[in-house]
Amino acid sequence: NAGVTQTPKFQVLKTGQSMTLQCAQDMNHNSMYWYRQDPGMGLRLIYYSASEGTTDKGEVPNGYNVSRLNKREFSLRLESAAPSQTSVYFCASSEVQGVAAGELFFGEGSRLTVL
Amino acid sequence: GDSVTQMEGPVTLSEEAFLTINCTYTATGYPSLFWYVQYPGEGLQLLLKATKADDKGSNKGFEATYRKETTSFHLEKGSVQVSDSAVYFCALRRFSGTYKYIFGTGTRLKVLA
Repeated sequence: NAGVTQTPKFQVLKTGQSMTLQCAQDMNHNSMYWYRQDPGMGLRLIYYSASEGTTDKGEVPNGYNVSRLNKREFSLRLESAAPSQTSVYFCASSEVQGVAAGELFFGEGSRLTVL
Repeated sequence: GDSVTQMEGPVTLSEEAFLTINCTYTATGYPSLFWYVQYPGEGLQLLLKATKADDKGSNKGFEATYRKETTSFHLEKGSVQVSDSAVYFCALRRFSGTYKYIFGTGTRLKVLA
């Protein structure tokens, strides 16, 4: 029962390097999200995808791009990493209808350090 | 815009003590309110929710009541256990094409045996 799977769990980058965080969910959810978690700031929404084929900016999208590859997968790309992007990144998914409508299901997180 | 304010942590309690974590919100209309919990090394998971005024959400001995008059959703538990040590997030949710959440900053709870 995997739920939401994120890779990698840990990554260290140098300033200016690029990388992609991968996320996959096996619950057949329509909506997927990327959040970042920083001390004293809670979770902030970076990008979301309401359904396959759509993506929209959240609260803090600058410096990031996303791709909704298919219904299962939603990736987050840092094109030129900056120290301000050091954070823990969480992928989440949810469904619009049903008993658990709107409940967010989270992955275990990806800890990224940019030197 | 919408916002959620939680009490600063960390909160340190002895086992079997009473817990209150304060949460207030600012929002127009009637958002749904949630508490999510994050155990060490894990992602967040839903603890409880309330979708309208005066609703009480409850789970695992935790309770919170949606108080529209005071715009609050305080989390309470009568007797905490060491296994309750975690970070607790208050959040509000709206629907606008998809569900969108606003999270508080989180409150770390440490329970000592």
